[in-house]
Amino acid sequence: ILNVEQSPQSLHVQEGDSTNFTCSFPSSNFYALHWYRWETAKSPEALFVMTLNGDEKKKGRISATLNTKEGYSYLYIKGSQPEDSATYLCAFITITGANNLFFGTGTRLTVIP
Amino acid sequence: GAGVSQTPSNKVTEKGKYVELRCDPISGHTALYWYRQSLGQGPEFLIYFQGTGAADDSGLPNDRFFAVRPEGSVSTLKIQRTERGDSAVYLCASSLNSGGYEQYFGPGTRLTVT
Repeated sequence: ILNVEQSPQSLHVQEGDSTNFTCSFPSSNFYALHWYRWETAKSPEALFVMTLNGDEKKKGRISATLNTKEGYSYLYIKGSQPEDSATYLCAFITITGANNLFFGTGTRLTVIP
Repeated sequence: GAGVSQTPSNKVTEKGKYVELRCDPISGHTALYWYRQSLGQGPEFLIYFQGTGAADDSGLPNDRFFAVRPEGSVSTLKIQRTERGDSAVYLCASSLNSGGYEQYFGPGTRLTVT
């Protein structure tokens, strides 16, 4: 079992604040890193699929960076809104088994209006 | 278009009973995955299908768990002699193909074993 760690476990921010969280993964055998947003009672929704060291991806107010050499990815949310409240999961795929995702435990974000 | 659907959304069963959980993937997606999320944990891989065959079932915890995908579309996860430790959210995902493509998840089935 691969160790994928996310921090912090939970986070409360005020509406309008910007925030970021971390995903750490093994730097060897890297194939891809996925970020998902999972709102309560809904399906996990893919945010980004990242494959190259130095990748930076952006979708609206959310962006992510990837460092495969040191084994981490950051997710940034600019100007948080209440609808951003969700659990953010990262998942790692190895080059030897590029089929199943190894998930972290997630960061639960609550944006306070 | 239609996303991944899972039925039932909630299932409560008694210890020792048999349960079946169903997943209907996105049409045309050849790869299908089952994951399980226990309380306080991230989703954990169970089994992966490419077409009709189980290409990787290394995540199934023991032989009480079995999954099929007979026509390469709908999949059923079967759990025999359920135990309280099987209580979890069971997630299904599909992707266009294997190999790191984006996976599209269903809303999950919450299984509670009493």
